Amino acid sequence: RKEVEQDPGPFNVPEGATVAFNCTYSNSASQSFFWYRQDCRKEPKLLMSVYSSGNEDGRFTAQLNRASQYISLLIRDSKLSDSATYLCVVNEGNTPLVFGKGTRLSVIA
Amino acid sequence: SQTIHQWPATLVQPVGSPLSLECTVEGTSNPNLYWYRQAAGRGLQLLFYSVGIGQISSEVPQNLSASRPQDRQFILSSKKLLLSDSGFYLCAWTSFDIGEKLFFGSGTQLSVL
Repeated sequence: RKEVEQDPGPFNVPEGATVAFNCTYSNSASQSFFWYRQDCRKEPKLLMSVYSSGNEDGRFTAQLNRASQYISLLIRDSKLSDSATYLCVVNEGNTPLVFGKGTRLSVIA
Repeated sequence: SQTIHQWPATLVQPVGSPLSLECTVEGTSNPNLYWYRQAAGRGLQLLFYSVGIGQISSEVPQNLSASRPQDRQFILSSKKLLLSDSGFYLCAWTSFDIGEKLFFGSGTQLSVL
């Protein structure tokens, strides 16, 4: 099975900091990409899709680099409520989505 | 709008007992349906997925089975639970017309004692 790799963290950052996560994928034929957020003992929730041109949603920016086969998530002005595990997800085509194991973020007051 | 319901939220079962977790989706037709398991502090493990009624694909051979008796109903079962079956079970759905985005139920925390 093709892999999706993430740094498990934890990333411990102060409030207001900017933090970035990377995720690498091994299947060059992958078609679409997503970031999910999962709080402790809760279901993962879609944070944003990742488009080739990059996309921004408020304090969150996602980018895709097909040549190097990685996607990134940038969080600006971190809030305490951003503390969660962030899952990188890859759609390889005619198979179920492939999930990374997640990167844990703790935003500290 | 589409919604997914999964129950129960928590379950404590003795070793050797049977299991039945149910998941239903509303507001869409012919969804792809999935069962995942997440052990404490670990990543998501895909257990089963289904692209239609009666069509089940198993990702990992184990003590569990799945069935899809209706288009929007997905059931996870076991005849005899093992301690290693403990975990957080998540049902999810997607469909082609929403760009393959996956939406999860609220999960079932299963403890096998």
